[in-house]
Amino acid sequence: QSALTQPPSASGSPGQSVTISCTGTSSDVGGYNFVSWYQQHPGKAPKLMIYEVTKRPSGVPHRFSGSKSGNTASLTVSGLQAEDEADYYCSSYAGSDNYVFGTGTKVTVL
Amino acid sequence: QVQLVQSGAEVKKPGASVKVSCKASGYTFTDYYMHWVRQAPGQGLEWMGIINPSVLATTYAQKFQGRVSMTRDTSTSTVYMELSSLRSEDTAVYYCARVGGVAAPLAFDIWGQGTMVTVFS
Repeated sequence: QSALTQPPSASGSPGQSVTISCTGTSSDVGGYNFVSWYQQHPGKAPKLMIYEVTKRPSGVPHRFSGSKSGNTASLTVSGLQAEDEADYYCSSYAGSDNYVFGTGTKVTVL
Repeated sequence: QVQLVQSGAEVKKPGASVKVSCKASGYTFTDYYMHWVRQAPGQGLEWMGIINPSVLATTYAQKFQGRVSMTRDTSTSTVYMELSSLRSEDTAVYYCARVGGVAAPLAFDIWGQGTMVTVFS
């Protein structure tokens, strides 16, 4: 199972939007609506931000949103804030109780 | 509150085995699958496998098959991950992570604090 492909970095000024892509195959991202996104600050455990492609857990700000088209999922952070600077990882169910993570994207708030 | 508390850091020699524990609290242990995920220094997240604590069913990532074993103790609500034949490339932070059930299907909603495993001679 190969890792999902994410851009290594993305950036934006405070208040702007940034979108991160996550490209897989028809065996994972394209085959299931079980894509999730995680935020990880340095030295901390990941935190669930989006599940089932578009859904936000309680407590996650509305400026985090997710979408999917074909084999590519995306996470958009609108109205960037300083605390959004972190690493972001996508994950997808890949069938038969297997899962795969993305390569990770470092988001910088300029 | 719902939390996962992992065992402390480990230092091992190449060829040895390591066993990391993850104690769950604040929810019914057997109602949720548990996963293990690792992260090498400066690298991304890597899925290792899953255990169903209710029936002790496991699925391991192909990369780790034959070297990893995931078990549980329902009396203490603890899952364990043992990795054998350690090599330097296994140096990483190892996380346990709960899958969220109906609240967050097939997503990792609760994470342990991580356990650093260092392999060197």
